[in-house]
Parts: sequence; C-alpha cells; structure tokens
Amino acid sequence: EAGVTQSPTHLIKTRGQQATLRCSPISGHTSVYWYQQALGLGLQFLLWYDEGEERNRGNFPPRFSGRQFPNYSSELNVNALELEDSALYLCASSPFGGADTGELFFGEGSRLTVL
Amino acid sequence: GDSVTQMEGPVTLSEEAFLTINCTYTATGYPSLFWYVQYPGEGLQLLLKATKADDKGSNKGFEATYRKETTSFHLEKGSVQVSDSAVYFCALRRGGADGLTFGKGTHLIIQP
Repeated sequence: EAGVTQSPTHLIKTRGQQATLRCSPISGHTSVYWYQQALGLGLQFLLWYDEGEERNRGNFPPRFSGRQFPNYSSELNVNALELEDSALYLCASSPFGGADTGELFFGEGSRLTVL
Repeated sequence: GDSVTQMEGPVTLSEEAFLTINCTYTATGYPSLFWYVQYPGEGLQLLLKATKADDKGSNKGFEATYRKETTSFHLEKGSVQVSDSAVYFCALRRGGADGLTFGKGTHLIIQP
C-alpha cells in the first residue's frame, strides 16, 4: 500500500513569489494535515482538511492557504513568500471518524527554500 | 490550549547506554499520546503510542507509559544503538479533534 506522497521534494523560490506544494494521502484516508517544520521551531500545525473542507488552521497568516480535492489529495499554497517561510513542509493523513486510531501518517516532506 | 514540553537536546550518549527523554503535556480531557521519530532526511514515523492512562506503548526496544497523575509520557530504552540517532517528537491528540500537538523535538546522538 502506498504511503503519503508529497511533491516536489525540493523547491527553490525567491521572495515575493508563490509556492504550491502537493500531497496525496493514503488510499481510504479522508483527512489531510499540513505542518511546517522550520529550523529550531519544531512542528507547527498549519491546516487540516477533511471531505474537501478546511476544518481548522493554525496561527499562520492568510497567505498560507490550501484546498482538498474530491480524490482527497491536497495543495498548500504560500503566497508572497518571505525568507522565514523556508522550511520543511510535512503532509499527513488519517482516516476520519470511527476508523481513526489517532495516528497520523506522514509523508517525507517538501523542502522549500526562499532566497 | 494543548501543549507538549520535552527536553530539546541535543542528547549525546554512548552506544548501549540507557536512554530517557522526558515529555510532559497539558491538555483537557483524555488525549492519546505518541512518540514519533524522524531519521535524517526522512519524514516522521510513529514509534509508539498509548491511548489511556497507565497504558504502556512499546516498539523497537523503546517504551513509554501514560501517566495521567503526572501528565507525563517519558520515552525509555535500555540499550541504545548508533542507528537510534534521530529526532524524537512527543505528541498528543484529543479524540476526533484536529491533528497532533507536538513538542519541539529532542535530537538524539548515539556515539559508537
């Protein structure tokens, strides 16, 4: 069974540009979570999508946005990039409701570098 | 809100030493508790979990016991190996709500 897949693996942008990161959850999982892992800051919760809806977002500005598609894959968009957006962006998935054991399954991440 | 506190390290040990990484949490209700591990260049993998008080999670020689009275979930291993070098994250999740709340991670370095 395929795990959570993310693309691209690495992305280099300049300040002010936009970045789009993609995530495909494990088959059968309807919830997708996005986390930012910046150096020295640990893992910060960004966004949670389920059944195509944004369920919750962390303490990030509106230029961080995303969406979930009917096939449950997801995109994270970061507009007006700033240097401090350089980080590893991790996507995770889980089933929802009664099938949810509490565990999140993580992809290997997309490394965004802003120059 | 929910929070997880863990020692940040780096923690440097010799091979075959005993390991303890402390983790305490603050949360309402009865969260599930997790330890995730991140090997160099990889994403996070679940190491072990416990879903209720006094449960012990174990995997790959690692253990942690859910202590509600002390709101703790300390990670232990009796004899570490060089291959255990990684970053370890303690996390909690309240049932059905949101995702995981993580600690800042503990960088563990095992020297031969």
